[in-house]
Amino acid sequence: NAGVTQTPKFQVLKTGQSMTLQCAQDMNHEYMSWYRQDPGMGLRLIHYSVGAGITDQGEVPNGYNVSRSTTEDFPLRLLSAAPSQTSVYFCASSYERNTEAFFGQGTRLTVV
Amino acid sequence: AQSVTQLDSQVPVFEEAPVELRCNYSSSVSVYLFWYVQYPNQGLQLLLKYLSGSTLVESINGFEAEFNKSQTSFHLRKPSVHISDTAEYFCAVSDKGNTPLVFGKGTRLSVIA
Repeated sequence: NAGVTQTPKFQVLKTGQSMTLQCAQDMNHEYMSWYRQDPGMGLRLIHYSVGAGITDQGEVPNGYNVSRSTTEDFPLRLLSAAPSQTSVYFCASSYERNTEAFFGQGTRLTVV
Repeated sequence: AQSVTQLDSQVPVFEEAPVELRCNYSSSVSVYLFWYVQYPNQGLQLLLKYLSGSTLVESINGFEAEFNKSQTSFHLRKPSVHISDTAEYFCAVSDKGNTPLVFGKGTRLSVIA
């Protein structure tokens, strides 16, 4: 019963470095999304996907890229990390975009 | 655009006392409503949800929430809290037109022994 799996759990990057946060789900959900969580800000939607090959921007997309080549995987790419991207990142999936979301355990990213 | 307001950022309460965490949303259309809980260093877990039907919904660990359409509210209540209820609680809303979930900023519940 894996659900939504995120890797890595922790990451430290230097400013300007790139990396990919991985997200995989085994529930055959069409809808997947990425959120960032910052103190006092709640969860803010970065990007989402309604199915393989289809992605769209959320509330705070700048500095992030996504792709959805399979139903199971939805990686989030930081092309040139900035200190403002220090945050906890959560991946979520759901049957449809407005139904119950299942969350991964999060990736705590620090950009120095 | 929809928005969710959680009126209290922090709520301290003594063990075995009642608690209410407030949530108001802005949408005027038909909505789905959710409460999620986040324990320290973990992801979010669904606590309860309102999709349709009875306006009072309950969770397995004693929480309940009531959908009030006229006041656009979905407050979370528990009559007697435990230390283990210490967590952050997020209210979320989506409309039946298939828009993504919108989350509130969260309420940190601290239960004091």
